[in-house]
Amino acid sequence: EVQLVQSGAEVKKPGESLRISCKGSGYSFTSYWISWVRQMPGKGLEWMGRIDPSDSYTNYSPSFQGHVTISADKSISTAYLQWSSLKASDTAMYYCARGDDRFDYWGQGTLVTVSS
Amino acid sequence: EIVLTQSPGTLSLSPGERATLSCRASQSVSSSYLAWYQQKPGQAPRLLIYGASSRATGIPDRFSGSGSGTDFTLTISRLEPEDFAVYYCQQYGSSPAITFGQGTRLEIK
Repeated sequence: EVQLVQSGAEVKKPGESLRISCKGSGYSFTSYWISWVRQMPGKGLEWMGRIDPSDSYTNYSPSFQGHVTISADKSISTAYLQWSSLKASDTAMYYCARGDDRFDYWGQGTLVTVSS
Repeated sequence: EIVLTQSPGTLSLSPGERATLSCRASQSVSSSYLAWYQQKPGQAPRLLIYGASSRATGIPDRFSGSGSGTDFTLTISRLEPEDFAVYYCQQYGSSPAITFGQGTRLEIK
């Protein structure tokens, strides 16, 4: 069974750093890209970027380029999304999803709350 | 960037009725690289349709997609109680800039 299991909810202060994770199982992790999608409270879906776990090649949405970093460790079938300095506006649910274009499997989501 | 506009914003229907959801693109979506997702409260989105008209694995045949170019439609032939949710279209033709529509809320009348 294909599964993407994300790390748990986080509460952070503005200016802090954060890395959340997405662990794939039940399939060949290096055969499919992983994308990250943001959903702000009560809002729609926004594609942030993606990574090819086989070589860690990344693409970013222009809206998120420079604000987040996507990485992966293929040895443990895990992708990451990280921030170096969080803002209150980063408060959202973040989903990882399998695929570079359409997304057939999704993680359960990681809620990130940034508040002073 | 391709902007997707979904209509209506909210659709109120009864179980058993037919639902028609629209997604219009600001420019042509190449090779019909258009997908539809369903999202229920507190859940991750679920892929319903890809390539504009191909059903994803395990999706009931009451869900169908159609369209090309700039105009796409998701049709649910006979609504079941579990179909009431938010639906998003997504284009992946102008990779790497993937975009979603703003969503249509399908609610019970």
